[in-house]
Amino acid sequence: QSALTQPPSASGSPGQSVTISCTGTNRDVGGYDYVSWFQQHPGKAPKLMLYEVRKRPSGVPDRFSGSKSGNTASLTVSGLQAEDEADYYCSSYAGSYNLVLFGGGTKLTVL
Amino acid sequence: QVQLQQSGPRLVKPSQTLSLTCAISGDSVSNNIAAWNWIRQSPSRGLEWLGRTYYRSKWYNDYALSVKSRITVNPDTSKNQFSLQLNSVTPDDTAVYYCSREEGGIATGTFDPWGQGTLVTVSS
Repeated sequence: QSALTQPPSASGSPGQSVTISCTGTNRDVGGYDYVSWFQQHPGKAPKLMLYEVRKRPSGVPDRFSGSKSGNTASLTVSGLQAEDEADYYCSSYAGSYNLVLFGGGTKLTVL
Repeated sequence: QVQLQQSGPRLVKPSQTLSLTCAISGDSVSNNIAAWNWIRQSPSRGLEWLGRTYYRSKWYNDYALSVKSRITVNPDTSKNQFSLQLNSVTPDDTAVYYCSREEGGIATGTFDPWGQGTLVTVSS
């Protein structure tokens, strides 16, 4: 199974909104509502930002939101702040054998 | 608050076995609504889920197809930790290895928290 497809980069100015996509197939993203998003700052471990497409763990600002349409899931960061600059990764349940796939990551730059 | 602390060698020779341990505090490896995972990250492969162990009346394991023939993830209930063994390593296995808890169901990808990460280099 191949990794999920994310754009390598995205950018926005402070206060703006930016959306990052994560494209899979009907055997993973499109088939199940088990898409998660992770934020990773340089040298740090990934941090869970969204799970089950749109649910936020405690402590994650509501500026982070998620959605899904067909085989593509999306992460939207509203009201961009400097600390949002990081790499973002999606993951999805991938069916048989209880597999999990990750996206290749998107580097978000706050201009 | 759950915390995961990784330990193990950072340099492994080709053809040998990579071994890492993840000590759990604030939860139990026998928790029957959690699963305990190993994930690695490298520039060439990105983030790659490797495998998990979990208890649901008995112990289960799931492994990524790419490493299925070489990997073992084991719980250690006496020390409340779990381990990763990856056999017959090559330089392509060089990566930062993370342990992580997954809850809310198996393979949901709800990985939280993560260990601090261990850069393991495969080199002679």
